[in-house]
Amino acid sequence: ELKVEQNPLFLSMQEGKNYTIYCNYSTTSDRLYWYRQDPGKSLESLFVLLSNGAVKQEGRLMASLDTKARLSTLHITAAVHDLSATYFCAVVSPTGNQFYFGTGTSLTVIP
Amino acid sequence: DVKVTQSSRYLVKRTGEKVFLECVQDMDHENMFWYRQDPGLGLRLIYFSYDVKMKEKGDIPEGYSVSREKKERFSLILESASTNQTSMYLCASSLDGGNTIYFGEGSWLTVV
Repeated sequence: ELKVEQNPLFLSMQEGKNYTIYCNYSTTSDRLYWYRQDPGKSLESLFVLLSNGAVKQEGRLMASLDTKARLSTLHITAAVHDLSATYFCAVVSPTGNQFYFGTGTSLTVIP
Repeated sequence: DVKVTQSSRYLVKRTGEKVFLECVQDMDHENMFWYRQDPGLGLRLIYFSYDVKMKEKGDIPEGYSVSREKKERFSLILESASTNQTSMYLCASSLDGGNTIYFGEGSWLTVV
């Protein structure tokens, strides 16, 4: 079974600071996803990373993928309160039809 | 835009009742999924289906069954609800070989 680990699980940071969330996975996968979930809401797709070295950026969030290390990072630049949410990474199984999620990182940005 | 619709957003059921959670997607996706989400445990896969009338157990299928009679509809059934099935249930769909998975809004189930 493919395992996905995220750290940290909880992150409290001040506005304006930078921080990185890490996502490790246990076996080979050719796709990695980042999702955002606001309290009481469903999951919203942020990024899909399809190859080694892939980097995607949207606003203050930047995601990267190292398939050799089986590691993805979600970097937050100059955090703002609106980024407070839970962030999940997920990888797809080698068969391509199952998705495995990390336990999520709950981010709180403090003014 | 892909739309995954879960018809029941909030339900309260009694222990022992049979519960149906319905999910419909409008993008002709082959794959459909049911997850439950609990605090501290993330998303756990209950069942998934990669075609009509096909189903596969996920990580926590006990106490649940599913039905996929039509491609667009995937139902989760709790034959006899128990209090430990109180949770948020998320339906999702994806294209075969597609590059993302789309989620519904979630169904909050409370079993009393």
